[in-house]
Amino acid sequence: GAGVSQSPSNKVTEKGKDVELRCDPISGHTALYWYRQSLGQGLEFLIYFQGNSAPDKSGLPSDRFSAERTGGSVSTLTIQRTQQEDSAVYLCASSSARISEQYFGPGTRLTVT
Amino acid sequence: ILNVEQSPQSLHVQEGDSTNFTCSFPSSNFYALHWYRWETAKSPEALFVMTLNGDEKKKGRISATLNTKEGYSYLYIKGSQPEDSATYLCAYMDSNYQLIWGAGTKLIIKP
Repeated sequence: GAGVSQSPSNKVTEKGKDVELRCDPISGHTALYWYRQSLGQGLEFLIYFQGNSAPDKSGLPSDRFSAERTGGSVSTLTIQRTQQEDSAVYLCASSSARISEQYFGPGTRLTVT
Repeated sequence: ILNVEQSPQSLHVQEGDSTNFTCSFPSSNFYALHWYRWETAKSPEALFVMTLNGDEKKKGRISATLNTKEGYSYLYIKGSQPEDSATYLCAYMDSNYQLIWGAGTKLIIKP
């Protein structure tokens, strides 16, 4: 069946511009996670959704980052006034329940010039 | 502060040899332990989700054990193959469902 999809796969943007990253989870998965991997670093948790609500936003690095999820399905991660340090691969994952294994999408590679 | 430690940080293993590495986590408020394999240029892929003390799970040549009392899990790979080269991540989930990721063990299999 269809896995987690993310778009765009690559995004190059100028410093100061806003970007939106999209995640389509596996159908029926109630839990959705956003992570990022900066160059040479490990997996960094950003935010978690259960349905449409985000009980855990603890990983968002600054108030320039926000995320929403609508209809218990698609999620968008928005980064306002992008900075060069925002350059990273942004990964989305979904799971059928909070305790269950997570299925990861292919990621969006964001480059801020 | 919740901390998940993985050791070693990296590991070189000869093809055909068996190997293992460790994930250490808080022994209190344990709920679940996840293992993932992350190959270069790909996305993490789930290996195991373990919840019970003494649990042992197996998938092909890879197996994992869990000790929730002392706060550790071992991942074993039997007869390493080049395709096993990857970073192996563990993630600890506490009773508040907070998932804390380790930094990973990078495994390199030498042909």
